[in-house]
Amino acid sequence: GAGVSQSPSNKVTEKGKDVELRCDPISGHTALYWYRQRLGQGLEFLIYFQGNSAPDKSGLPSDRFSAERTGESVSTLTIQRTQQEDSAVYLCASSEGTGGGYTFGSGTRLTVV
Amino acid sequence: GEDVEQSLFLSVREGDSSVINCTYTDSSSTYLYWYKQEPGAGLQLLTYIFSNMDMKQDQRLTVLLNKKDKHLSLRIADTQTGDSAIYFCAESRNQGGKLIFGQGTELSVKP
Repeated sequence: GAGVSQSPSNKVTEKGKDVELRCDPISGHTALYWYRQRLGQGLEFLIYFQGNSAPDKSGLPSDRFSAERTGESVSTLTIQRTQQEDSAVYLCASSEGTGGGYTFGSGTRLTVV
Repeated sequence: GEDVEQSLFLSVREGDSSVINCTYTDSSSTYLYWYKQEPGAGLQLLTYIFSNMDMKQDQRLTVLLNKKDKHLSLRIADTQTGDSAIYFCAESRNQGGKLIFGQGTELSVKP
């Protein structure tokens, strides 16, 4: 597609439920990244996929968080047993993996009530 | 370790120049980026600079890099009210690697 697409754009969930967030990267982009942005704060790195290499999961805050990517296509970020502190905007980005610009999606705003 | 620091707020008058500063700690940083985030919107890449450069200019934007001091700045000439946004500095260690972001500088442009 023309840009990075994320869905849903907004998600309200009850504490303790699982949620899945989806990211469609730009076609042909080998690298895909997930970030979290809490209200009024900067971006916190979560996980990074590059081609067929093992993902860099060093930013995942707990074992309730996981992400998958099939090949160089769609990625899903799953948060199990959501907590109120998980409320944030979850941003996905993709790049050609060569150090140039990273293109961000508009994000999914997750609210845990 | 990886750490990127920015001042949180900057206020300027329309028509003045704005200078947003950023410091980073990772001497292995190879690419340094500036992103703009308008209210309720995603991040827009403004410009980036490779670590073997010390300056890059793109229309009203000038990026200066002092690698010795690990200091990056973004100068916006003739600042307009439409430039009001949060500006994020970010660095990556290698090509296509993860970005480490600063906490963002909120630029307020007063008419």
